[in-house]
Amino acid sequence: GAVVSQHPSWVICKSGTSVKIECRSLDFQATTMFWYRQFPKQSLMLMATSNEGSKATYEQGVEKDKFLINHASLTLSTLTVTSAHPEDSSFYICSARDSANTEAFFGQGTRLTVV
Amino acid sequence: GDSVTQMEGPVTLSEEAFLTINCTYTATGYPSLFWYVQYPGEGLQLLLKATKADDKGSNKGFEATYRKETTSFHLEKGSVQVSDSAVYFCALKGSTLGRLYFGRGTQLTVWP
Repeated sequence: GAVVSQHPSWVICKSGTSVKIECRSLDFQATTMFWYRQFPKQSLMLMATSNEGSKATYEQGVEKDKFLINHASLTLSTLTVTSAHPEDSSFYICSARDSANTEAFFGQGTRLTVV
Repeated sequence: GDSVTQMEGPVTLSEEAFLTINCTYTATGYPSLFWYVQYPGEGLQLLLKATKADDKGSNKGFEATYRKETTSFHLEKGSVQVSDSAVYFCALKGSTLGRLYFGRGTQLTVWP
């Protein structure tokens, strides 16, 4: 299957700093990318959906100014957690889908710890 | 709206035992149904899928049949292995933007 690479796999940062997470589709063009957040022992919560070249569509309750999503190319989307706080600590997972819209492929996830 | 209800865990089994994880869904239209597996510290991997009623998805000894009459997509495996220990998520792909709706996940632990 197609490969989605997410980087970094884990990151520790200080409160108040910003962290950028990258999601790349390695062997296909990802017209749509999804960003999820997963709390311990819980399901995935969709944060936002982004289409290449357009502004992301955020789910209700997700702060767009805090979680900046950029999908500037067909192979790269980034999630920036701005002014991170300990409550932002979580597992973030990206998913990418091509224009054929048949299946979504997931990145390995990023464990963010804010101290 | 679209949603998935998944059997809560955790599920603990001995090796070679039979596994069933229940999943039911609510959806408008004709969704596609999926089972994903998540190993510790990793993202999700597609385990199997079914795109229309009565389809049976299968992979690595796991099976699930899309039952429209009962709105179910239960995951089964006849003989589990220690390496099957993971979290399993049932999901449906809705008609709105093709987004995925996930169940809460079921932790499976298999003991030797």
